[in-house]
Amino acid sequence: AAGVIQSPRHLIKEKRETATLKCYPIPRHDTVYWYQQGPGQDPQFLISFYEKMQSDKGSIPDRFSAQQFSDYHSELNMSSLELGDSALYFCASSLTANYGYTFGSGTRLTVV
Amino acid sequence: GDSVTQMEGPVTLSEEAFLTINCTYTATGYPSLFWYVQYPGEGLQLLLKATKADDKGSNKGFEATYRKETTSFHLEKGSVQVSDSAVYFCALRVTNAGGTSYGKLTFGQGTILTVHP
Repeated sequence: AAGVIQSPRHLIKEKRETATLKCYPIPRHDTVYWYQQGPGQDPQFLISFYEKMQSDKGSIPDRFSAQQFSDYHSELNMSSLELGDSALYFCASSLTANYGYTFGSGTRLTVV
Repeated sequence: GDSVTQMEGPVTLSEEAFLTINCTYTATGYPSLFWYVQYPGEGLQLLLKATKADDKGSNKGFEATYRKETTSFHLEKGSVQVSDSAVYFCALRVTNAGGTSYGKLTFGQGTILTVHP
């Protein structure tokens, strides 16, 4: 069965650079979520989209922005990267917010 | 606000031992409860879930019962295996009185389980 696809799997950036993470949801899933998991930490909710509109917002820094496109894939844009942004970034998708969802394998971002 | 508290780890057991990982929660609405497992270098996999009080979720020998009276969702397994070594996260999703959920999950801090042969 198709899963949630995230790209790239690994990314190394320098401080103050920008990064773009991509998420391709399971076909027909209309809701996408982004989470950030720091080293040894629990995942923290960043932002979610339903039908291409932002549906909820968590602890997402102002330096980050995200959107969901017409094909339902989503991109997380991160600017002015800081060392503390080094983390695993997970995307998940669901068919509306009331159904269980599936996580992707994550993008490991390292800021040096 | 919504929060999840898990027992502190790490937990180290011998193969075939009994496992309990405690999880309690506070919720502003109607909670659904989940256990996720994360193997090294991998993403989060749903282990089991319960969506209403007294529901029991079960999968791969793991069980957890949603106890509204104690606001708990403790994970148990009668006989652990080396392959169960992973990080386990308890998580909460809240639905409001109108039946609407924004879908976001609130996670506990995770419990590292190591099982020795």
